Amino acid sequence: EPEVTQTPSHQVTQMGQEVILRCVPISNHLYFYWYRQILGQKVEFLVSFYNNEISEKSEIFDDQFSVERPDGSNFTLKIRSTKLEDSAMYFCASSEPIRGRGYTFGSGTRLTVV
Amino acid sequence: AQKVTQAQTEISVVEKEDVTLDCVYETRDTTYYLFWYKQPPSGELVFLIRRNSFDEQNEISGRYSWNFQKSTSSFNFTITASQVVVSAVYFCALSEENYGQNFVFGPGTRLSVLP
Repeated sequence: EPEVTQTPSHQVTQMGQEVILRCVPISNHLYFYWYRQILGQKVEFLVSFYNNEISEKSEIFDDQFSVERPDGSNFTLKIRSTKLEDSAMYFCASSEPIRGRGYTFGSGTRLTVV
Repeated sequence: AQKVTQAQTEISVVEKEDVTLDCVYETRDTTYYLFWYKQPPSGELVFLIRRNSFDEQNEISGRYSWNFQKSTSSFNFTITASQVVVSAVYFCALSEENYGQNFVFGPGTRLSVLP
């Protein structure tokens, strides 16, 4: 079964450092997403990406965040200057061209900012 | 606006009991999709079911069953004869057809099945 792959599974970074979280979506999917889950809380939408541009973003997704699809396979989330409150599980997801179909989450990257 | 409510924060049951996890949603769209995900202690989101707004048939998969009722905007999840291994956090989620593809998740219900 096709998977969304996220690397690394766990990253520890110092406050103020830049971090890049990587995702390889399912190959024929056209919509890509990032979600965040602070420990013990619900999963929250950050951003969606389609046709090489952001299609929607939440208020959480401020200027500290950016997304990129640098080549045909990777989809990255960059946090420019990490804060303690950025510590969370970050989930990547992708979905098929047909809306609502095949929505698949990766297994997540646990980011710890110290 | 989209909203998903899971009123039960935590539930504890004894093994072999039946348990129902409640989910109530709000949407402005006529076409939407409802989901249930399981999150075990390892943290990943495990897909359980997707239901679109035009399909109100209840579904059963082994010990799992789902009851979708548009009249009450509810999409409840029942585990029959629960086992310790199903202990996890369960999230209900909503995606609207015409207002973006992103999911809105409920706050989750932590289910503990005790031996």
